[in-house]
Amino acid sequence: KAGVTQTPRYLIKTRGQQVTLSCSPISGHRSVSWYQQTPGQGLQFLFEYFSETQRNKGNFPGRFSGRQFSNSRSEMNVSTLELGDSALYLCASRKNRESEAFFGQGTRLTVV
Amino acid sequence: GENVEQHPSTLSVQEGDSAVIKCTYSDSASNYFPWYKQELGKRPQLIIDIRSNVGEKKDQRIAVTLNKTAKHFSLHITETQPEDSAVYFCAARPYSGGGADGLTFGKGTHLIIQP
Repeated sequence: KAGVTQTPRYLIKTRGQQVTLSCSPISGHRSVSWYQQTPGQGLQFLFEYFSETQRNKGNFPGRFSGRQFSNSRSEMNVSTLELGDSALYLCASRKNRESEAFFGQGTRLTVV
Repeated sequence: GENVEQHPSTLSVQEGDSAVIKCTYSDSASNYFPWYKQELGKRPQLIIDIRSNVGEKKDQRIAVTLNKTAKHFSLHITETQPEDSAVYFCAARPYSGGGADGLTFGKGTHLIIQP
């Protein structure tokens, strides 16, 4: 069974630009969550989607948004990039909202 | 919201000794507590988890204990090996009326196994 796949693996963007990251969950998993990982703040929850609906959201500004498609694939968008948005963005998928989460390898975003 | 504190931030032990990492959480609604291991440059991987209706769970050299009253849980690794060197994260997941919420993670413990 294929694991959680994130694309692209690496991105370099300029301040003020926007970026879209993609996450394909494990087949049969309906929940996708997004996390930001930085050396200073650790792993922080961004938001979770289940059956195309955002179920809950972490404490991040509105520049961070996402969506989920009918095939459970999810995208995360960050608009008006800031230097502080440089981080490893991880997505995790779950079969249902009660089961364990499996992480993708992440997208390393660098904002210059 | 939930807040998870994790200690220590760095733990160095001799190969073959035991390692213990401790976490506390704040939200009594949390009912799921996973532990993840992250090696340098790799994804976090689930190594063990425990639900609030259980006090202890073991899987070979790894065990997790949960004290719901005190709101703390711990990871125990026995007979440590060089491949145990990694960053370990604890997490808690609250359960709200609409279903389980996202994971709140501790800041991580860098475990170093000395040969």
